[in-house]
Amino acid sequence: DAKTTQPNSMESNEEEPVHLPCNHSTISGTDYIHWYRQLPSQGPEYVIHGLTSNVNNRMASLAIAEDRKSSTLILHRATLRDAAVYYCILRDVLETSGSRLTFGEGTQLTVNP
Amino acid sequence: NAGVMQNPRHLVRRRGQEARLRCSPMKGHSHVYWYRQLPEEGLKFMVYLQKENIIDESGMPKERFSAEFPKEGPSILRIQQVVRGDSAAYFCASSPYSAGRETQYFGPGTRLLVL
Repeated sequence: DAKTTQPNSMESNEEEPVHLPCNHSTISGTDYIHWYRQLPSQGPEYVIHGLTSNVNNRMASLAIAEDRKSSTLILHRATLRDAAVYYCILRDVLETSGSRLTFGEGTQLTVNP
Repeated sequence: NAGVMQNPRHLVRRRGQEARLRCSPMKGHSHVYWYRQLPEEGLKFMVYLQKENIIDESGMPKERFSAEFPKEGPSILRIQQVVRGDSAAYFCASSPYSAGRETQYFGPGTRLLVL
């Protein structure tokens, strides 16, 4: 799987937007960009994914750069419950190995009340 | 629709004993993945199974670890002769298909402590 780079930690205030960046300069044309998060003492949870176009769902938005070498996960109004480690993961749809999730170190998001 | 279920949630074993971790995928999901999270470390892929088949076990330790996903019943991750270094959280995930764009749904994990 192509490598991703994320900041180790970020801080936000409650009810403010949060922009979590991810660099993936070696992304291939068949790599999907996935975001998962892991709340304390819980299993990972799917957040969002996309290929080329920006994506929105009830949890977040995903903004993908035009050259696809970076993306940003946007939480529109952070809550205390959003405090978690956020993982940006590339998955190749054409490879069997794309079935597995390769977790990096992720970004630890702290939300201040 | 119940989510991925894992049991037990916590398991304590003494060195040399066997640990059996169970995972029931979401209804309709025939693909199961096991991941391990060592203390203060990231999640690492262990094995990917479909019903009655191991598809990718490239992340499994070569000895003492085995996994199965029988035609009927849950997927089992088995650790023989446990050692202290096996203490970790073990997460199971399932998906309906194996394609790289498919979401994986994770269970709450089994936290194994080896004394």
